[in-house]
Amino acid sequence: NAGVMQNPRHLVRRRGQEARLRCSPMKGHSHVYWYRQLPEEGLKFMVYLQKENIIDESGMPKERFSAEFPKEGPSILRIQQVVRGDSAAYFCASSPEGEETQYFGPGTRLLVL
Amino acid sequence: AQKITQTQPGMFVQEKEAVTLDCTYDTSDPSYGLFWYKQPSSGEMIFLIYQGSYDQQNATEGRYSLNFQKARKSANLVISASQLGDSAMYFCAMREPYTGTASKLTFGTGTRLQVTL
Repeated sequence: NAGVMQNPRHLVRRRGQEARLRCSPMKGHSHVYWYRQLPEEGLKFMVYLQKENIIDESGMPKERFSAEFPKEGPSILRIQQVVRGDSAAYFCASSPEGEETQYFGPGTRLLVL
Repeated sequence: AQKITQTQPGMFVQEKEAVTLDCTYDTSDPSYGLFWYKQPSSGEMIFLIYQGSYDQQNATEGRYSLNFQKARKSANLVISASQLGDSAMYFCAMREPYTGTASKLTFGTGTRLQVTL
């Protein structure tokens, strides 16, 4: 049973470009969460999605960031017009219905030049 | 607002010794969950152990145990018989009170554990 998959593992973008981060949850998991980790800090919640629905986006910046979890395919975290401050590790986690534990993917390290 | 506090930025322990990593939390809700994750230098987040607020017994998973003291609002992680591979960052996290919708985790700032020979 494969774990949570994220790609790419590393992403380099120049300021003003778009970044697309993908997350495939574990098989059978219908809940997806995105977190951001700045260097030397803990993870900060961004958004919680179920299939085709955003449940909680209280941690998402109001501009430039969006997330989706379509009926088919992976969850996507999209950052438009990236700035240097967006450089961070972005983690996706998933959990099955009715279970507390969130299982994390390996993360995507985004570097904005 | 919820808060997780890890007061030890760094800890050293000798191989084969036990070590306790501190975590205190602040919530007014009776229903919550507490988690510990390990983040080695490779960067992934590895789930270690979970304790529910209504669980009567302290959680254990192999060499990991959670010293849950509800009245003190502490959820310390105890690692017994430390191994070199335990060297990593350790994060304590709390689940938002379950409302049927959101269940995000709030993380502490982490403790960097170094196991020495």
